[in-house]
Order: sequence, then C-alpha cells, then structure tokens
Amino acid sequence: QQQVKQSPQSLIVQKGGISIINCAYENTAFDYFPWYQQFPGKGPALLIAIRPDVSEKKEGRFTISFNKSAKQFSLHIMDSQPGDSATYFCAARKAAGNKLTFGGGTRVLVKP
Amino acid sequence: EPEVTQTPSHQVTQMGQEVILRCVPISNHLYFYWYRQILGQKVEFLVSFYNNEISEKSEIFDDQFSVERPDGSNFTLKIRSTKLEDSAMYFCASSEFGGGAYEQYFGPGTRLTVT
Repeated sequence: QQQVKQSPQSLIVQKGGISIINCAYENTAFDYFPWYQQFPGKGPALLIAIRPDVSEKKEGRFTISFNKSAKQFSLHIMDSQPGDSATYFCAARKAAGNKLTFGGGTRVLVKP
Repeated sequence: EPEVTQTPSHQVTQMGQEVILRCVPISNHLYFYWYRQILGQKVEFLVSFYNNEISEKSEIFDDQFSVERPDGSNFTLKIRSTKLEDSAMYFCASSEFGGGAYEQYFGPGTRLTVT
C-alpha cells in the first residue's frame, strides 16, 4: 500500500514532442505529489509538485494532471527538448510525514 | 543558491568495515534525511532527523545504521559493518520544515562501493 507505481520505464521522444509519464498510488493518506528530475551523477531535483485539491498544475512546459478518484497522476513535458533528457521520478508523501515514497523512475531521451 | 553538499563523492570499502558519509545541509533547514538508490533502482527513504532525534525511519534502517548531527553544520550517516548489498548511491536531503509542501533539497550523493 506504500508503493507508487510508475510507467513507462523508458521513453524516447522527438524534439518538440510531448513526453507523458504516469504514476499510480494506493495509499489515500498521500497528499503531496512531487516530480523530481535527475541527471546522471546528480541528486534528484524538484521539478513540480501538486496537492490533491487541484486537478492540474502547470509550470512552463511541465504539467501535472491529477485524478484523485483513480489515484493516478501524470507528468506531461510539452515541446520536449534534448536538455530534458533525464530520469524522472514521481513521489508521494503523507500529510503528517516527511518520507518521500518514490516511483521506479522513467528514463526520458529526447532526440534532436 | 544554497545547496546540500556531500562528501566523499565516492567511497570504496571492504565488507565488514565501518563507513561514515557526510553531509552539510542548507544552513537554515531544520529537517534532514538520508535516501539511497541502488544502481538502476528507485530512490528509497532511509531516515529523517529533526531536533537531534530520528523522526521516522524505514525498515532498511536497521541497527547497523546510525545518524548524527555532530555539530551545527554536519549531518552524518554511519554504517557499522558494511555488506555487499549496501553498495548504492546515498543521498542526503534537507528541508526548511517538515511535512506539508516543504521541498526536500537533495545533495549530489555519495557512491558507496562495498567489495
């Protein structure tokens, strides 16, 4: 019940295309859902985050869509650029806790 | 921009040896964390630390692990007797406050190789 399942494991997209990564969770106590971007040899860096009281959040080319009833959320990267090539992790955290539970990661490759 | 720093960047040790991984969290942050990432796998929570106490720990964080804030700036993770399966990237993180929507800032990690 603590797991966060992420798909796909890897994704290849052409420059200018849309990258879509999906996550699903079981624990309804989760109430904070961040997405992290990780480049090789670096630590995860927060990209964008959402709370379950909104269905969508957009920051620049990055959008989170959240479906509370389905317990699913997704990251859309619009107009994907080669510099977006990285591993993306979804995560979830309970309201009263500090522990981030990460998904398995998606390696995104944007081809020029 | 303030950042979390970690030393060393790479540590090689023999099985059974003790290792100490060091972190300097962002200076005004009050909550500190350790996560690990086995090669090719997801990031896993180990422990959170606040006010000189462990506030939460995972089942991975057993008696061979300990954390300490020995002074006002450092935060350490000690593994008493390393095992081959401890080989992983260890990330330190810090946040200004706990819970809510407070962002956890991650350091660049220490790659631990146990031979």
